[in-house]
Amino acid sequence: EAQVTQNPRYLITVTGKKLTVTCSQNMNHEYMSWYRQDPGLGLRQIYYSMNVEVTDKGDVPEGYKVSRKEKRNFPLILESPSPNQTSLYFCASSQGGGIPPDTQYFGPGTRLTVL
Amino acid sequence: AQTVTQSQPEMSVQEAETVTLSCTYDTSESNYYLFWYKQPPSRQMILVIRQEAYKQQNATENRFSVNFQKAAKSFSLKISDSQLGDTAMYFCAFTSYNQGGKLIFGQGTELSVKP
Repeated sequence: EAQVTQNPRYLITVTGKKLTVTCSQNMNHEYMSWYRQDPGLGLRQIYYSMNVEVTDKGDVPEGYKVSRKEKRNFPLILESPSPNQTSLYFCASSQGGGIPPDTQYFGPGTRLTVL
Repeated sequence: AQTVTQSQPEMSVQEAETVTLSCTYDTSESNYYLFWYKQPPSRQMILVIRQEAYKQQNATENRFSVNFQKAAKSFSLKISDSQLGDTAMYFCAFTSYNQGGKLIFGQGTELSVKP
C-alpha cells in the first residue's frame, strides 16, 4: 500500500531531551516536507526537501533540523525541545520536486508534548 | 505574502443536506493550485479536491464540488447529501510555482454532520 509513515505517533518528553521523529514514504516521491499543526493556525511548513541531500527552511524552522540522506526517509530532529514545540506534526510527500506543484500526501501525524 | 482565510471556525449541517464551506485567498500570482483537505477525528489529512487556477471548470469529486471564483479569489467547497462520515475539520490550502512546494493553509472549519 502506498503510504507515508511516521513514528512515533505519540510522544511525551521533557524540555531539552533530544528526539527524532521518523518519516518514510514508499512511493518513490521526490519531494518531502514537515508541517506542524496548531489550533487556529492551520498547518505551517517547517522544512522541505526537493530531493536527496537538498533541504530548505519553511516558515517555522527554528528549533528543528532535518536530513535527507535517502529518498524515502526524511527525519525531523528536535535537538533541545521546548514547550512551545508541543504540537501535531505531519510529514508529507509528493511525486514532483515542487515545480510544478504536485498533490501532497500526508502521514498519520505525530502528537508531541514537551513538558 | 500569500494568505488563506477560512472565516467559519465551526459549521453544522443535518444529514442528507447540503453545506458550503468558504475560503478566500490573497495572491498576486496567476498560476496556482488550490486544495481542500479533510481531517477526521483520526487526524489523518485526506485530500478532498484539487483545482488548478488555469482551469475554468470547477472541480468535482462525487458529492464534493468547488465554486472557484478567480477574480474574487474565492474557493468554496460544497458538500451535497452530507453524511455522518463527513464530520471533520476541513482545511483550504494554496500553493504555486513560487512556493517551492509549500502548502499555505487556512485556519480550518470544523464541520459537524448531525443525524
